[in-house]
Amino acid sequence: DAGVTQSPTHLIKTRGQQVTLRCSPKSGHDTVSWYQQALGQGPQFIFQYYEEEERQRGNFPDRFSGHQFPNYSSELNVNALLLGDSALYLCASSYTSGTGRSNTEAFFGQGTRLTVV
Amino acid sequence: TQLLEQSPQFLSIQEGENLTVYCNSSSVFSSLQWYRQEPGEGPVLLVTVVTGGEVKKLKRLTFQFGDARKDSSLHITAAQPGDTGLYLCAGEMGCVDNNNDMRFGAGTRLTVKP
Repeated sequence: DAGVTQSPTHLIKTRGQQVTLRCSPKSGHDTVSWYQQALGQGPQFIFQYYEEEERQRGNFPDRFSGHQFPNYSSELNVNALLLGDSALYLCASSYTSGTGRSNTEAFFGQGTRLTVV
Repeated sequence: TQLLEQSPQFLSIQEGENLTVYCNSSSVFSSLQWYRQEPGEGPVLLVTVVTGGEVKKLKRLTFQFGDARKDSSLHITAAQPGDTGLYLCAGEMGCVDNNNDMRFGAGTRLTVKP
């Protein structure tokens, strides 16, 4: 049973470019959350996707956008990259019950290390 | 400012010692999770606590959720070098809209020397 998988593992981009990061959730999970973790910090919540829609968003600018596909996989897109966007981007998957309440036990991927130069 | 404050930020101890790390907030959480993260890896879930005053044990690790569900502690007995890592607490905010929006602390970086 594959856990949460993210690709690529490492990425180097130039300031001003755009980047797309990908995440496949754990089998049986339907909810995907994205986090940004700067060096020496805890993960910061970017947004969460369920039923192919963004249903919760953290304090991140519109340059950060996402998508969820019918197979529950997800993409994180960042436009107009800034040096400060350099971080480990983590994807976490969980399961939302029939009541619409997401299970609190999220499982994380290994992350994508993005470096903006 | 972090919604969850973790202390200490760094901790370096000798193998065999005991330690406690703390996770505090002024907010009430419906649940709280502890994760351990190694360099270059994603966080790995250790435990979830839900009920105020709840205590959970995982081998040499003891987790406690505060009575008011605003704080938590992690106690490690007889620490081993394999316990080295970044310990993160994450709280789930209220359930007004059924969304589990987890907020993380900045973590405690633990080093256990042999």
